[in-house]
Amino acid sequence: DVKVTQSSRYLVKRTGEKVFLECVQDMDHENMFWYRQDPGLGLRLIYFSYDVKMKEKGDIPEGYSVSREKKERFSLILESASTNQTSMYLCASSFGGKETQYFGPGTRLLVL
Amino acid sequence: GESVGLHLPTLSVQEGDNSIINCAYSNSASDYFIWYKQESGKGPQFIIDIRSNMDKRQGQRVTVLLNKTVKHLSLQIAATQPGDSAVYFCAEIRYNNNDMRFGAGTRLTVKP
Repeated sequence: DVKVTQSSRYLVKRTGEKVFLECVQDMDHENMFWYRQDPGLGLRLIYFSYDVKMKEKGDIPEGYSVSREKKERFSLILESASTNQTSMYLCASSFGGKETQYFGPGTRLLVL
Repeated sequence: GESVGLHLPTLSVQEGDNSIINCAYSNSASDYFIWYKQESGKGPQFIIDIRSNMDKRQGQRVTVLLNKTVKHLSLQIAATQPGDSAVYFCAEIRYNNNDMRFGAGTRLTVKP
């Protein structure tokens, strides 16, 4: 079974803090993705990576950065957290295209 | 604009009844569609998919119908069970620009 794990289920941070969200997959998938999920909206792609040290902007990259130093790990970084970044963050990985994504359980981030 | 949406945000059914969850899409160029199930506290899980050259696809207790004329996608769950309670959302993929869009979701509640 593919397993995608996220480092935290819940996080509470203060405005201006630097926040790291970690995602690890154990199936040697090349592709990894970060989404945010907000009520009444579909998942929105923040960043994705097709290989180690590669990154591509998604639809809403502003205020975020990513790091992929190892194939199994994809980190999402909020350089200076703001209240409008309060959301559920979902990580996913896939071997092929976007249609074969496996999602992690999500990290619910609250920025005060 | 282009979007993937759902007709209803919530759906409540009696255990044993059939459920129908709907999704509308606006771009006739979409190639592929997926239905996901997201249980509380978990990440989205793939349920069933359908390609744009098909009208119907069946899985175990689930059927997806695609009506390209009216750009409508539906998920039918037969003999709905309490374990089916979750948020269901659709996604569309357009291969020519590798774009994937997600619907906001419908919360299905199964009453015993």
